[in-house]
Amino acid sequence: SAVISQKPSRDICQRGTSLTIQCQVDSQVTMMFWYRQQPGQSLTLIATANQGSEATYESGFVIDKFPISRPNLTFSTLTVSNMSPEDSSIYLCSALPMAGDGNTIYFGEGSWLTVV
Amino acid sequence: AQSVSQHNHHVILSEAASLELGCNYSYGGTVNLFWYVQYPGQHLQLLLKYFSGDPLVKGIKGFEAEFIKSKFSFNLRKPSVQWSDTAEYFCAVASKAAGNKLTFGGGTRVLVKP
Repeated sequence: SAVISQKPSRDICQRGTSLTIQCQVDSQVTMMFWYRQQPGQSLTLIATANQGSEATYESGFVIDKFPISRPNLTFSTLTVSNMSPEDSSIYLCSALPMAGDGNTIYFGEGSWLTVV
Repeated sequence: AQSVSQHNHHVILSEAASLELGCNYSYGGTVNLFWYVQYPGQHLQLLLKYFSGDPLVKGIKGFEAEFIKSKFSFNLRKPSVQWSDTAEYFCAVASKAAGNKLTFGGGTRVLVKP
């Protein structure tokens, strides 16, 4: 298994500002992903964070809006840029451990962002 | 591309009733299937998963799910629910061909009345 910690857990942000969310895993993982869960909705994949290279973004998400870093096998950041109220969501980091129970993907507790 | 459909958006039932949540996926290759639960105000937790082998999978808290390949289904069941099972339940599918990315269904909100 993997324990995934996210910071901040919650924040209230001003429109037009940017916020970086950090994700730390307690063990090495092969893959890391960032998801968004808008109020009352399901989870949508934003991107796959690739170690040492640019993230792979899903349709509808772009690097300028959601820059992602992954400098090593246990850490990643997601920045939500130039925020608007529509960006108010839970942002979740998830990871696929290198060792352990097959292809189970684990999730962090989420970062609840409210943009005002 | 893989996709997941959960047919029930909201379910309301009384304690001790049986629960079955439908999940159908769309993908022709080998898949891994998951059910996650999100209790009010809490983060996502894994309930159970299917990779291979026995198609009847048992998870935590008395939940089980059955993989029926011919129907592309992975329905979640619990014989007797408790008030504490009030939560949102998400079915998800992942495949190596799709880069192990999880695709989630729309979720089913379950309310168990005491």
